[in-house]
Parts: sequence; C-alpha cells; structure tokens
Amino acid sequence: KAGVTQTPRYLIKTRGQQVTLSCSPISGHRSVSWYQQTPGQGLQFLFEYFSETQRNKGNFPGRFSGRQFSNSRSEMNVSTLELGDSALYLCASSQSMSYEQYFGPGTRLTVT
Amino acid sequence: DAKTTQPPSMDCAEGRAANLPCNHSTISGNEYVYWYRQIHSQGPQYIIHGLKNNETNEMASLIITEDRKSSTLILPHATLRDTAVYYCIVRDYNAGNMLTFGGGTRLMVKP
Repeated sequence: KAGVTQTPRYLIKTRGQQVTLSCSPISGHRSVSWYQQTPGQGLQFLFEYFSETQRNKGNFPGRFSGRQFSNSRSEMNVSTLELGDSALYLCASSQSMSYEQYFGPGTRLTVT
Repeated sequence: DAKTTQPPSMDCAEGRAANLPCNHSTISGNEYVYWYRQIHSQGPQYIIHGLKNNETNEMASLIITEDRKSSTLILPHATLRDTAVYYCIVRDYNAGNMLTFGGGTRLMVKP
C-alpha cells in the first residue's frame, strides 16, 4: 500500500498570506490527524478528522482550520500567516479512531 | 494523557541491543503505551504499542512492567539506520487519535 502523501513538500509564503496543505491518507484509512513540529515547541497536535467531522482539536488559534472530504483526503488551512507558523506540518492517518497512526513526510512551510 | 519521562539521549554500538526506557508512573488502566521514532526531518514512524503484556513485532520488542509504570523498547540488533529520536507516548484508547509527544530520546547508533 502507498503511504500517506502530503503536498506540497515545501512552501514559502509571506506574512499575512494564507496557505492550504493537502494530505492523502493510506487507502482504507478513515481518520486523519494534523500536527505541527517546530524546534521550540516540538510536535504538537492540531486536529483530527473522522468521517468528515472534526473530532478533536489542539490548542491553536482559529487561524488554523481543516476539513476532510468524503474520500478521507484532508486539507488544512492557515490564514494570516505569521513568522511563527514556519514549521513542519505533518499529517497522520489511521484505520479508525484509536488505531495506530502512520505519518506522512510532512510539508515544510517557511513564512518570510 | 499521562506524561512520560525519557532520557534525552543514548548511545548504542552497532549490532548490539538498544534498550530505551520510559517512565509513565501516572498511567491509568485504559491507557496504552505507544512508541514512535523520527529520523531527521522525516515524519514519525510507528514502532509498536501495548497495554500490559509484552509485545514483539518485526521492528522491536516492548516490555511493560507489571505495575505498568514503566516500559522499555528494545531494538535487538541496532543498525546505523536506527539513529533517530524515539518517542514514548501514553494514550487513552477512548480519547481519539491525539498523540502527545514529549522530548523523546535521541538514540545514536555508532559503528
């Protein structure tokens, strides 16, 4: 089976812009979670989706949002980008809630 | 989720077993122990998980103490490719998929 794929892999944006990141889960997986990784804060949970519904949300401002489509693919959006949003954004998929998660390679976002 | 405590770094000789400890003294009855690793700049890789019995798969073994307050991940024959940050995570099975990552242990496998 193909693994989790994330697009784009690298992205450079300017402060104030918005960005959309995409995640395609492993075939048959219905749950998708998103994480942010920075050198200062480490890996932090953003949100998770199952059956197109957000099931859990981490402690991030409302500028961070996401959605899941009927084919389980997911997108996350960050509006009004700040320099501190520069990070590796990771997507993980699992068969269902409470199963082990498999991570994608991540999207490295640089905000200038 | 219960917090975990891991040593920040460890060294291991190539070909030897790597034993990575994790303390989770406040673990509750419905919380599982998960291990992931992250090789530089890649996404974390699932290794193994368990509740109270020891577990083994093709990658590693997980030994959980009888009181469940600590566990050890064992890589039986470490290779240079096992150099990574290893995360021990305690997760409530009924609380969804959120994983709370700590600082992990940076394992350096040396030739």
